[in-house]
Amino acid sequence: GQQVMQIPQYQHVQEGEDFTTYCNSSTTLSNIQWYKQRPGGHPVFLIQLVKSGEVKKQKRLTFQFGEAKKNSSLHITATQTTDVGTYFCAGHSGGSNYKLTFGKGTLLTVNP
Amino acid sequence: GAGVSQSPRYKVAKRGQDVALRCDPISGHVSLFWYQQALGQGPEFLTYFQNEAQLDKSGLPSDRFFAERPEGSVSTLKIQRTQQEDSAVYLCAIPRRGTYNEQFFGPGTRLTVL
Repeated sequence: GQQVMQIPQYQHVQEGEDFTTYCNSSTTLSNIQWYKQRPGGHPVFLIQLVKSGEVKKQKRLTFQFGEAKKNSSLHITATQTTDVGTYFCAGHSGGSNYKLTFGKGTLLTVNP
Repeated sequence: GAGVSQSPRYKVAKRGQDVALRCDPISGHVSLFWYQQALGQGPEFLTYFQNEAQLDKSGLPSDRFFAERPEGSVSTLKIQRTQQEDSAVYLCAIPRRGTYNEQFFGPGTRLTVL
């Protein structure tokens, strides 16, 4: 079945440093979604990318979808303590338009 | 999460007990999903409802897991004869109306099986 892998598993940064997490799928994705889960919380939807090569920005967050629609990245510029949490990517493969497969996530901690 | 409530928030069960977890979505949502999130992992799909119809239960780990949504609104996930490996957070989610995307998660039920 479809597998979604994320690296790194953990990332610790100093406040103000940049952060990037990478997501790779074993199959071509129809779309990729990113979620953030604060410690003790539930996943919260951030964004969805649909087009090959798409880039979207949300303030200090930049999301990219690869040309082959099998990989994606999330980059945070100048991290803040409020960025702490686990970032998950999730995708639908061509075989299912409703079943989301999540990666294991990248846990980001920020030292103030 | 906005539009989805779950109860109980925490449940401790002795191994072998049956448990029932409730999801109450905002009214009018056709689609409803259940996920299981083990510690340090991403959510994993369990089952999907469209109104009262359970269209996909391929993610249910065993026949001890059963989900229903009899009136197309509130859903219950039941686990019979709980085992330690069932310990996880069980999340209910609804997608943005008209799509299967942008899932809005409830706060989850943390199940601990002793």
